[in-house]
Amino acid sequence: SSELTQDPVVSVALGQAVRITCQGDSLSRYYVSWYQQKPGQAPVLVNYGKNNRPSGIPDRFSGSSSGNTASLTITGTQAEDEADYYCNSRASSGTYLLFGGGTKLTVL
Amino acid sequence: QLQLQESGPGLVKPSETLSLTCIVSGVSIGSPGYYYWGWTRQPPGKGLEWIGSISHIGATAYNPSLRSRLTISVDTSKNQFSLKLTSVTAADTAVYYCASDQELRSGGVLVNYFQSWGQGTLVTVSS
Repeated sequence: SSELTQDPVVSVALGQAVRITCQGDSLSRYYVSWYQQKPGQAPVLVNYGKNNRPSGIPDRFSGSSSGNTASLTITGTQAEDEADYYCNSRASSGTYLLFGGGTKLTVL
Repeated sequence: QLQLQESGPGLVKPSETLSLTCIVSGVSIGSPGYYYWGWTRQPPGKGLEWIGSISHIGATAYNPSLRSRLTISVDTSKNQFSLKLTSVTAADTAVYYCASDQELRSGGVLVNYFQSWGQGTLVTVSS
């Protein structure tokens, strides 16, 4: 199917590591990109491909992929990391893009 | 520094056409490395939905669920690209974002990524 599935809500204690996952049939063929979005703001690219980080993104954000699952791992989670996170990739056909439903990360 | 800015009406009547333009500054739309330019939207309180993308030479890719109502075009002379969505309903109410849509192939595997985004513009469909 041409869908990307994310857990709606994930919680993490301050300073701990957390993994946000994205599942989809197309992910065995294509890498994902990851976006952080805070309320009232445009999304921000935090990781893409085989663990590439744009300039200015802390190295605590790392990406990985195995089979049909891609993961964004945040190590040493900070309070400012509380946000919605979205994955994006190509559909199985390769002819269009799609976003996952998003994961709301709560930092306790 | 690449910047994008959406412009267009904030209110559109049902059954009419939603038209938005994204003005690109700091980079030429035809610059090497910037292959595509895309639109994404976000209904209030909901997630992101990819709308479609266009290359500087006009090659397009559309969300299948919107394809029958959607046209994305590019004007390299004005360094901008545009979106037209016809026959809108309340379900098209959303914040609309434009973004640069770049591709990277790593080890034979492709990824698209939206590195630079506009601030977004809210379009409400209502009579």
